Amino acid sequence: AQSVTQLDSQVPVFEEAPVELRCNYSSSVSVYLFWYVQYPNQGLQLLLKYLSGSTLVKGINGFEAEFNKSQTSFHLRKPSVHISDTAEYFCAVSEGTGGFKTIFGAGTRLFVKA
Amino acid sequence: DARVTQTPRHKVTEMGQEVTMRCQPILGHNTVFWYRQTMMQGLELLAYFRNRAPLDDSGMPKDRFSAEMPDATLATLKIQPSEPRDSAVYFCASGSLAGSVGTQYFGPGTRLLVL
Repeated sequence: AQSVTQLDSQVPVFEEAPVELRCNYSSSVSVYLFWYVQYPNQGLQLLLKYLSGSTLVKGINGFEAEFNKSQTSFHLRKPSVHISDTAEYFCAVSEGTGGFKTIFGAGTRLFVKA
Repeated sequence: DARVTQTPRHKVTEMGQEVTMRCQPILGHNTVFWYRQTMMQGLELLAYFRNRAPLDDSGMPKDRFSAEMPDATLATLKIQPSEPRDSAVYFCASGSLAGSVGTQYFGPGTRLLVL
């Protein structure tokens, strides 16, 4: 069975500082990995995804993530955050068999302070 | 700009009443999901459909919840009878195995409060 662990429930950071949101997963098969962002009172939207190929994935809004198979991790990073990045971030995993069933982590609330 | 739409956006009802939530997936998407989000449980998958057929509804309380896709443009989630513990935000999402593989497109959610 797949599972996703987001290691931090909240991450406070000052504007223009770098940030890393951590995600570990477990699965017995190959996986697709995703990061979604949820702004207040909205649905989730895709930031980036890893399907195959290069382990460094670039997404929208300056975010990137690195797939590390040996450490079963998919950490999300941004070199310089903005106030507008304040949101909840969800790591998710689905089996890489063309299926869609996706398991979401508990979420990490990023709070960017001025 | 194609989007998933959900109605109603907000619903307040009394315990015991029937609640129906509707979702219009993005045209051409063949997979539809229903999720429930609460502070305590986070984001839970309730059910999902492919080509209008239910593939997995193991996350759904069977005695009171039901999900259907009467046609390709409409998915419904019903709760009968509703209970206060059903209070949550319910999200619909759609996706396609062609094109953007694996990506789910979420609607804005229905915020349900059962008194």
